[in-house]
Amino acid sequence: QSVLTQPPSVSATPGQKVTISCSGTSSNVGINFVSWYQQLPGSAPTLLIYDNNKRPSGIPDRFSGSKSGTSATLGITGLQTGDEADYYCATWDSSLSAWVFGGGTKLTVL
Amino acid sequence: EVQLLESGGGLVQPGGSLRLSCAASGFTFSNFAMYWVRQAPGKGLEWVSAISGSGRSTYYADSVKGRFTISRDNAKNTLYLQMNSLRGDDTAVYYCAKSAIAAAVMAAGGLDPWGQGTLVTVSS
Repeated sequence: QSVLTQPPSVSATPGQKVTISCSGTSSNVGINFVSWYQQLPGSAPTLLIYDNNKRPSGIPDRFSGSKSGTSATLGITGLQTGDEADYYCATWDSSLSAWVFGGGTKLTVL
Repeated sequence: EVQLLESGGGLVQPGGSLRLSCAASGFTFSNFAMYWVRQAPGKGLEWVSAISGSGRSTYYADSVKGRFTISRDNAKNTLYLQMNSLRGDDTAVYYCAKSAIAAAVMAAGGLDPWGQGTLVTVSS
């Protein structure tokens, strides 16, 4: 079981908006920055959101991040078929002295 | 351009050892913490280990503590993962990743970029 909890899957149609949740605890999400990663089929993960809500250069503003308490959320608007991928949240756990990842969420764009 | 190139993966018998390498280029290697993250076939990402830019601080997942050793050679711009007492559940693609902004192992900035990964298969 992953330390961070994500829904296993979400789906939506092209053009719609989807959100992916990431639930943690006071020792990880509650006090540390959350980052999000996109893993396209057959590829290595890439950084999508860092420091809860910042986008690296080159990441479109259709992708957004937020955090409240011990939960973080990834939002994707204007869904495209190319957004079909696995999405992971991650952060540092100060009690474990370890990085922790969510179990991943498979996004299907119908 | 920042590049990370893993090597050293392969087939190894249970109980065996393997050393992974990650050759880095395009940035001042010693200025950034580095990470190993693995992904078992069909499964999610699992953090394995991390090392600070200087190499003085290291961290391990409980699942590999005492069996794996992370190290770095800042003169050679290379990250290593020595894996001993390998088990079947260590079978995975192993990715190296760079801290986006920091020499310390921390959450700020995230992990960016990631290498393409190297496959380790533990089987008799």
